[in-house]
Amino acid sequence: GEEVAQTPKHLVRGEGQKAKLYCAPIKGHSYVFWYQQVLKNEFKFLISFQNENVFDETGMPKERFSAKCLPNSPCSLEIQATKLEDSAVYFCASSQPGGRDGEKLFFGSGTQLSVL
Amino acid sequence: DAKTTQPNSMESNEEEPVHLPCNHSTISGTDYIHWYRQLPSQGPEYVIHGLTSNVNNRMASLAIAEDRKSSTLILHCATLRDAAVYYCILRVGGTSYGKLTFGQGTILTVHP
Repeated sequence: GEEVAQTPKHLVRGEGQKAKLYCAPIKGHSYVFWYQQVLKNEFKFLISFQNENVFDETGMPKERFSAKCLPNSPCSLEIQATKLEDSAVYFCASSQPGGRDGEKLFFGSGTQLSVL
Repeated sequence: DAKTTQPNSMESNEEEPVHLPCNHSTISGTDYIHWYRQLPSQGPEYVIHGLTSNVNNRMASLAIAEDRKSSTLILHCATLRDAAVYYCILRVGGTSYGKLTFGQGTILTVHP
């Protein structure tokens, strides 16, 4: 597709439940990034992929968070046993280095996760 | 990652130019300066980027100081749709596949 598609738009979970978020990158983009925005202006980088391989996971919490990008499937971000502090908007972005738009990250519209 | 400093907020009137400053005194020689903006309830959107020379595109202009320790994003004619949070970001090493590290950004309010 021509835009990064994130589903669902909203997700509500009780504390301790699992949450799974999905991201379909722009067709032809080989890099995928996940970000967490907790407060209005604060973005935290979580993880990036080059195709199905983890490229940079320096921001990924070691416990409870995992992510995958498998061939011919949307990428996913999963949170096991959610906590109140996981409430945030999770953004996915994709890019394809090289070419006219090689320097740009294209972001989806995010998934609002509310943990109650 | 090298750090940027921006004012928390700025205001402008519609149809007037807006100059959004950014300080990045610890920038290294290969760091590119990127600007993104986030409109309400949307994901960030690329605006412009540059290395040393001033840059223009259909959205904005980027003026980079000669010593590269600061830059200014220029919106030539602000509209209500330009109200957003603007982020000035240094992309470490100019790598087009590396992460972006967002700072606090500048909240731009545009008055009719």
